[in-house]
Amino acid sequence: DADVTQTPRNRITKTGKRIMLECSQTKGHDRMYWYRQDPGLGLRLIYYSFDVKDINKGEISDGYSVSRQAQAKFSLSLESAIPNQTALYFCATSGLDQETQYFGPGTRLLVL
Amino acid sequence: AQSVTQPDIHITVSEGASLELRCNYSYGATPYLFWYVQSPGQGLQLLLKYFSGDTLVQGIKGFEAEFKRSQSSFNLRKPSVHWSDAAEYFCAVGWSSASKIIFGSGTRLSIRP
Repeated sequence: DADVTQTPRNRITKTGKRIMLECSQTKGHDRMYWYRQDPGLGLRLIYYSFDVKDINKGEISDGYSVSRQAQAKFSLSLESAIPNQTALYFCATSGLDQETQYFGPGTRLLVL
Repeated sequence: AQSVTQPDIHITVSEGASLELRCNYSYGATPYLFWYVQSPGQGLQLLLKYFSGDTLVQGIKGFEAEFKRSQSSFNLRKPSVHWSDAAEYFCAVGWSSASKIIFGSGTRLSIRP
């Protein structure tokens, strides 16, 4: 079984809808991250969490929110989706080797 | 500002040929350096990393990378590429213990039969 899972893997939604992307991990890591990937831009950090009570904004947090429900779960929400949020979203975790991050398979989101 | 540059957007090499993908970073402090690979439709897989010590690092799948402090570079190399190496490659750099890393924009590698 995969150590970092993301649901859904693909999602199509309409402008203005609220959606949630979920991430779960079985690695026992404290640190979790959400990134978005756009062609030619690499990965950009949206939010990160160092433990259940710690949430931090990343480079591009506007229009997004997160929830760290448990050590193993970190959800990303788009309160009112817009077309320029169409992207590939990745969750990642890191543990004792804090600088090394392990990635989920990604969620492909299309906002119409 | 901290930044990571991968100057080559797309590279095509022949199967069996050698490969070098370039990565440069800004900011003077000793960084933590990573190379990740993303196969089509897949997440990112760690190829190798450098934290300290020997500046030539060996990774999985026959890849290696060399940290050159004077050039602020961490180039990825492979002596003989295979068709299965076709993917997108990302260099990433972290500084201090912030546990945040910055990704380059990626280099897409195509393999010519």
